[in-house]
Amino acid sequence: EPEVTQTPSHQVTQMGQEVILRCVPISNHLYFYWYRQILGQKVEFLVSFYNNEISEKSEIFDDQFSVERPDGSNFTLKIRSTKLEDSAMYFCAGSLGNEQFFGPGTRLTVL
Amino acid sequence: GQSLEQPSEVTAVEGAIVQINCTYQTSGFYGLSWYQQHDGGAPTFLSYNALDGLEETGRFSSFLSRSDSYGYLLLQELQMKDSASYFCAVRASTNTDKLIFGTGTRLQVFP
Repeated sequence: EPEVTQTPSHQVTQMGQEVILRCVPISNHLYFYWYRQILGQKVEFLVSFYNNEISEKSEIFDDQFSVERPDGSNFTLKIRSTKLEDSAMYFCAGSLGNEQFFGPGTRLTVL
Repeated sequence: GQSLEQPSEVTAVEGAIVQINCTYQTSGFYGLSWYQQHDGGAPTFLSYNALDGLEETGRFSSFLSRSDSYGYLLLQELQMKDSASYFCAVRASTNTDKLIFGTGTRLQVFP
């Protein structure tokens, strides 16, 4: 059964550095998403991506964030200048019908 | 604003039945989903209700009342492996299918 994969599983970075989180969604999904979850808190929507462009973004997804699907398979989330409060678990997801399939997540730690 | 409220924690014993409630207030509503998340894991889909009533999937059932902005997840014949966090999530847009997640309920099942 196909799965969403994400790399790396854990990323440690210094404040102010750029990070790129990578995802390989399931190929027949149409919509792709990034969510984040601060430790012990709820999952928060960041951005949705359809037909190679952003379809919706949340207030969290400010100018420091960007998404790309550079080669038709990988789906990336870039944070240009990380802040301490960006420390969280970042999940990529794809949707097929009423169900969203989440990847295993990348734990981002900003020091 | 948008909010989905759930009890923070529920405890039960193996074999018991437990109900996790969710009340929501969102600007858009196109359905209510439930996701399970084990510690350190990704959210996994359990059920979806677009219309009022009860949906049954094995040991798990989900109920929705749109007029009351309320739903619940019913877990029967509890097993130790059901110990996890459970999130309700509103499908808040038909354009993007983004999910707005609830605060989450931590279920602990004791032998």
